[in-house]
Amino acid sequence: QKEVEQDPGPLSVPEGAIVSLNCTYSNSAFQYFMWYRQYSRKGPELLMYTYSSGNKEDGRFTAQVDKSSKYISLFIRDSQPSDSATYLCAIPNQAGTALIFGKGTTLSVSS
Amino acid sequence: DAGITQSPRYKITETGRQVTLMCHQTWSHSYMFWYRQDLGHGLRLIYYSAAADITDKGEVPDGYVVSRSKTENFPLTLESATRSQTSVYFCASSVGGGANTEAFFGQGTRLTVV
Repeated sequence: QKEVEQDPGPLSVPEGAIVSLNCTYSNSAFQYFMWYRQYSRKGPELLMYTYSSGNKEDGRFTAQVDKSSKYISLFIRDSQPSDSATYLCAIPNQAGTALIFGKGTTLSVSS
Repeated sequence: DAGITQSPRYKITETGRQVTLMCHQTWSHSYMFWYRQDLGHGLRLIYYSAAADITDKGEVPDGYVVSRSKTENFPLTLESATRSQTSVYFCASSVGGGANTEAFFGQGTRLTVV
């Protein structure tokens, strides 16, 4: 089993929809969880990070961690065409020396 | 310009040739990374470096060589390119390794091996 799994999609939604993106991870010792956003032909950029369990909100974006089920989620409210991108979950490796990424979910928001 | 830059942006090379991808960062970040991104596999770590003269293997290091003689540079060399190394390569840097530190990525190098 890979350390982090993510459904690659693609996911297509109309403008204004609520989007849910999800990842599962295998190592219960992980404490930091990150979401990166990657626009077409660009490098990934950090969108949000959370520590341990619970929710973190930033504008239309909410990151959620459920450590009991080893599940991390990113919710996008009132999705916009500018949200069209690939979203990658990321966790530190066990040594804390590098990030391990999910495969990424490609989202398309149509106006 | 401040930031992290990769060169070249696009490269076509022949099977068996040696090719070097360059990465330069201006922040004096301790950590630097090389990832490759392929359809169906996502971003996979090739090599990383915690400081000058300190490098370590990632998930897919075979066929690649790295060096880090200066903090700001982290070149990736494909010793004898193969078609399976056709990919988009991303360099990144961060203050720390992985936990709670943001990784900053370059624009990527699109490499095609024919």
